[in-house]
Amino acid sequence: GQQVMQIPQYQHVQEGEDFTTYCNSSTTLSNIQWYKQRPGGHPVFLIQLVKSGEVKKQKRLTFQFGEAKKNSSLHITATQTTDVGTYFCAGPNFNKFYFGSGTKLNVKP
Amino acid sequence: EADIYQTPRYLVIGTGKKITLECSQTMGHDKMYWYQQDPGMELHLIHYSYGVNSTEKGDLSSESTVSRIRTEHFPLTLESARPSHTSQYLCASSDLANTGELFFGEGSRLTVL
Repeated sequence: GQQVMQIPQYQHVQEGEDFTTYCNSSTTLSNIQWYKQRPGGHPVFLIQLVKSGEVKKQKRLTFQFGEAKKNSSLHITATQTTDVGTYFCAGPNFNKFYFGSGTKLNVKP
Repeated sequence: EADIYQTPRYLVIGTGKKITLECSQTMGHDKMYWYQQDPGMELHLIHYSYGVNSTEKGDLSSESTVSRIRTEHFPLTLESARPSHTSQYLCASSDLANTGELFFGEGSRLTVL
């Protein structure tokens, strides 16, 4: 079956440092989505990428979709304590929706 | 704000009890999903549905069952709960286009003693 892997599993940064998480799929994806889950909360949708090589920005967050549509990345510039949480990528496969293993971000003030 | 609701939020029960976790959405979404997530871990798809009277098992084997008699309602049932069922269960829905975002409920945290 489809596998979606994310690295790193954990990342501890000092506030103000940058952060990047990488997502790799074993199969080509029609689109990829990113979610954020705060501690004790539920996943919340951040963005969707559809086109090969697409890049989208949301304030300090930059999302990329690989040319082969099998990998993606999320980069946060100048992290803040409000960025703490687990970031998941997710991709569809027919009627299923698979989530990556997640990257847990901790930001020290 | 997402209009998807899960009850109960927290449930502590004894081994062997039957439980039903409720999930309802008022967005008219055709697709609904159940994920199981242990604290701080990844989400595992256990059931999904793409419309009324359609249900399928996900990739993670689960002893739970689901039903989809109405578009807005997707309950999950455990006939005989065991300690290994202790986990958080997250319900989600999306539109039929398969590119729509998933809206998650707040989750049901189940503890089986």
